Amino acid sequence: GDSVTQMEGPVTLSEEAFLTINCTYTATGYPSLFWYVQYPGEGLQLLLKATKADDKGSNKGFEATYRKETTSFHLEKGSVQVSDSAVYFCALLGATRGSQGNLIFGKGTKLSVKP
Amino acid sequence: DGGITQSPKYLFRKEGQNVTLSCEQNLNHDAMYWYRQDPGQGLRLIYYSQIVNDFQKGDIAEGYSVSREKKESFPLTVTSAQKNPTAFYLCASRNQGLRNEQFFGPGTRLTVL
Repeated sequence: GDSVTQMEGPVTLSEEAFLTINCTYTATGYPSLFWYVQYPGEGLQLLLKATKADDKGSNKGFEATYRKETTSFHLEKGSVQVSDSAVYFCALLGATRGSQGNLIFGKGTKLSVKP
Repeated sequence: DGGITQSPKYLFRKEGQNVTLSCEQNLNHDAMYWYRQDPGQGLRLIYYSQIVNDFQKGDIAEGYSVSREKKESFPLTVTSAQKNPTAFYLCASRNQGLRNEQFFGPGTRLTVL
């Protein structure tokens, strides 16, 4: 079945450091890919998405490119801030009839940014 | 403002009691979802509903029940049969369309005393 694997955390960075959180997926067909962010004690917010190969999603300085050849959707940011401290989830929305449009989540990566 | 509301934010229950978590959306979305979040385990799907008066079990439905009598509402009941109910519960909704994302509520933290 469909699955998502993302790098385990926690990840601790200094302010202005470069961030990469790896995400790879297994799926049939051509899924849509998402990054969600969860701030402490809150629900999930959509950070960015990509719906087809080579699409680049971007928002708030974060970027991720849908790479079908490597089945990856790595999250990057050039200069992190303390306010970026949160848990980040990679997710896949299946494109096949049997998937019923349900999201498959990775386990989440906790990011802590120190001043 | 359109969105998803969950109530209450914090909920405490004694062992052996059933408890119902509320989820309401005014986004006019057809599909609604319930997830459970535990530390280090990500989100796991409990139940989902693609349309009113219909719902399906997710990966961890045992000990839970739902109803979908109205498009806007998808309450989740945590029954006494759920062996480890203490967790953070998230509700989500999605507009139909194969590539549309899910929108999440703020969550309810349930603690069993």
